[in-house]
Amino acid sequence: EPEVTQTPSHQVTQMGQEVILRCVPISNHLYFYWYRQILGQKVEFLVSFYNNEISEKSEIFDDQFSVERPDGSNFTLKIRSTKLEDSAMYFCASSEGPVNYGYTFGSGTRLTVV
Amino acid sequence: GNSVTQMEGPVTLSEEAFLTINCTYTATGYPSLFWYVQYPGEGLQLLLKATKADDKGSNKGFEATYRKETTSFHLEKGSVQVSDSAVYFCALKGGSGGSNYKLTFGKGTLLTVNP
Repeated sequence: EPEVTQTPSHQVTQMGQEVILRCVPISNHLYFYWYRQILGQKVEFLVSFYNNEISEKSEIFDDQFSVERPDGSNFTLKIRSTKLEDSAMYFCASSEGPVNYGYTFGSGTRLTVV
Repeated sequence: GNSVTQMEGPVTLSEEAFLTINCTYTATGYPSLFWYVQYPGEGLQLLLKATKADDKGSNKGFEATYRKETTSFHLEKGSVQVSDSAVYFCALKGGSGGSNYKLTFGKGTLLTVNP
C-alpha cells in the first residue's frame, strides 16, 4: 500500500535554530498538508498546498514557517527560528482531492526544541 | 467555524465487548466526516469515512453513520479486540463556508482493550 514517508522520525534542535522537516507524499496525490500534535493535545492544521502554492494556512502558520515542494517528490516544512513551544509531533499528509477524500498521513517527526 | 466534539476518554473495555465512541459536529451544509485511528507510536490512519447524509462508513468491523438530523457520526464495533487499543479521532472537512482542505479534528478518545 502506498505510504507517506517522513524524515527524520525524531529531531532535537536548539532554540533559535532552523529546522527542515521532510516528507515524500504519495506519488499520484495532488494535495499536501502539514499538521502538528502537541503532546496530549489536539491535532492541529498548519497548512495545505496545491498546485505549487499554499491553498490555506492556519493562524499557527506565521512568518516563521514555510513550505516548499523543491522537486517532484519532496514536500518540506521549514521553521526558521524554533521556539520551545514548537516542540510537537509534525505530521505530513497527502490526498488525491479535497473535500470528499481522506488523507494519508505519514508516521510523523517528533521535534524537540531545547 | 467547524468543530468536532468527541466523548472524553479513556475508554477501557474487555475483549469482545461492544464499543461506541460518540462524535458530534458543528458545521453548516454537508461536510465530509471521518474517523482516524492512531496506534501507539504511529501516525494517523484513515479508518472510515462518509460524505453525505445517511451514508454508513465501515472498515475492519467498525461502522459509523452520518446523521444530519443529530449532527453525529458515532463510531461502533460489535466485538473489540486487544489490537483495537489506540486513540480514535473524529474529523470533518468541508460544508458550507468550511474549508475544502482543512481537516478539523476532535480531541481523540483513548481506547484500551483488556484480554
